[in-house]
Amino acid sequence: ETGVTQSPTHLIKTRGQQVTLRCSSQSGHNTVSWYQQALGQGPQFIFQYYREEENGRGNFPPRFSGLQFPNYSSELNVNALELDDSALYLCASSFSGVDYGYTFGSGTRLTVV
Amino acid sequence: ELKVEQNPLFLSMQEGKNYTIYCNYSTTSDRLYWYRQDPGKSLESLFVLLSNGAVKQEGRLMASLDTKARLSTLHITAAVHDLSATYFCAVADYNTDKLIFGTGTRLQVFP
Repeated sequence: ETGVTQSPTHLIKTRGQQVTLRCSSQSGHNTVSWYQQALGQGPQFIFQYYREEENGRGNFPPRFSGLQFPNYSSELNVNALELDDSALYLCASSFSGVDYGYTFGSGTRLTVV
Repeated sequence: ELKVEQNPLFLSMQEGKNYTIYCNYSTTSDRLYWYRQDPGKSLESLFVLLSNGAVKQEGRLMASLDTKARLSTLHITAAVHDLSATYFCAVADYNTDKLIFGTGTRLQVFP
């Protein structure tokens, strides 16, 4: 059984650019959630995908968007990057309605300069 | 809106001592999670508590849940240096299934 894999591990972008972060779910999991964790803070929910559709969204602007693919992997896209987008982005997979556990990936550290 | 508060925010404790971290939440939920995070690392799942009165123990850590009081505790027994980390509680929003995290408790255990 594989865990949750995120790529890349680190990324530096310039303000105004666009970025795509990737997440491969744990085997058997059908739900993916994305969280943003700023330095010294708790993770904040961005959105969740279930069966390739957005299934809940936090207080993030539309320039944060995502996708889930048939194999349950997922992407997080952020357009028009701002300095405050610098954070650790965490992906978590789960199996909706069966097992209440969430498995988190190792995260992508995004720095916007 | 569901809010989660932890206290204390920082905890410096001597090896061998006991202490408790508290997690309060504002609205009804049926799931509460405890996670550990080492600096620069991801979240490691410690406990999932699903019912009122649930108690789970792993090593020197024990978590409990009181849904009526909307309170969970993480008790540390005879702390050792390896427990130094940041501990988060998170509550599942009843309607949306998203996790709402507390502010975290940064624990430092010294000799």
